[in-house]
Amino acid sequence: DTGVSQDPRHKITKRGQNVTFRCDPISEHNRLYWYRQTLGQGPEFLTYFQNEAQLEKSRLLSDRFSAERPKGSFSTLEIQRTEQGDSAMYLCASSFYSYEQYFGPGTRLTVT
Amino acid sequence: ELKVEQNPLFLSMQEGKNYTIYCNYSTTSDRLYWYRQDPGKSLESLFVLLSNGAVKQEGRLMASLDTKARLSTLHITAAVHDLSATYFCAVDSGTQGGSEKLVFGKGTKLTVNP
Repeated sequence: DTGVSQDPRHKITKRGQNVTFRCDPISEHNRLYWYRQTLGQGPEFLTYFQNEAQLEKSRLLSDRFSAERPKGSFSTLEIQRTEQGDSAMYLCASSFYSYEQYFGPGTRLTVT
Repeated sequence: ELKVEQNPLFLSMQEGKNYTIYCNYSTTSDRLYWYRQDPGKSLESLFVLLSNGAVKQEGRLMASLDTKARLSTLHITAAVHDLSATYFCAVDSGTQGGSEKLVFGKGTKLTVNP
């Protein structure tokens, strides 16, 4: 199966630490999206890339968050100086241009 | 700014009954999606609706789209316990056929009781 993969699946960290998540999209997909989902809510858009270019960032993406997609393949999402409010499921999705977005399994972050 | 509202947010129903979940959105969009999410899991795509009047069915679920009314419905027929999950509608904020960010509703948590 060559679906969207995310690593790690679960991360527990202490407040103030930095964390980094990785997303590997479906191989022929040129667009990659990051969403965040908190308990009991729908996913919220964070940012997306077309190839290596970051085309849009949500205002939810504070300066503690940074995302990259070097070489237009996998992407990383880094959170610096984590806060308890960052605890959430981080979902990655990919698509081929304007076609349907396919979601990965998510990374569940718990900040203690 | 695109807003998506789902109702109801919680739905408890008995097996064998029918019910409809509603999804309203605030601005024009080219496409709408329905997803299922089980606890602690990611999103499973159910339906992609691309045009006004689109209707799609899979098993006991049927989705429809009315772009003029900016309304989509997810109809459940003869519910069974296995349908218990949270259902999200998501509207693509892109225009002119381009896919950009998805804006999700808050979800409908469905519980089907025996």
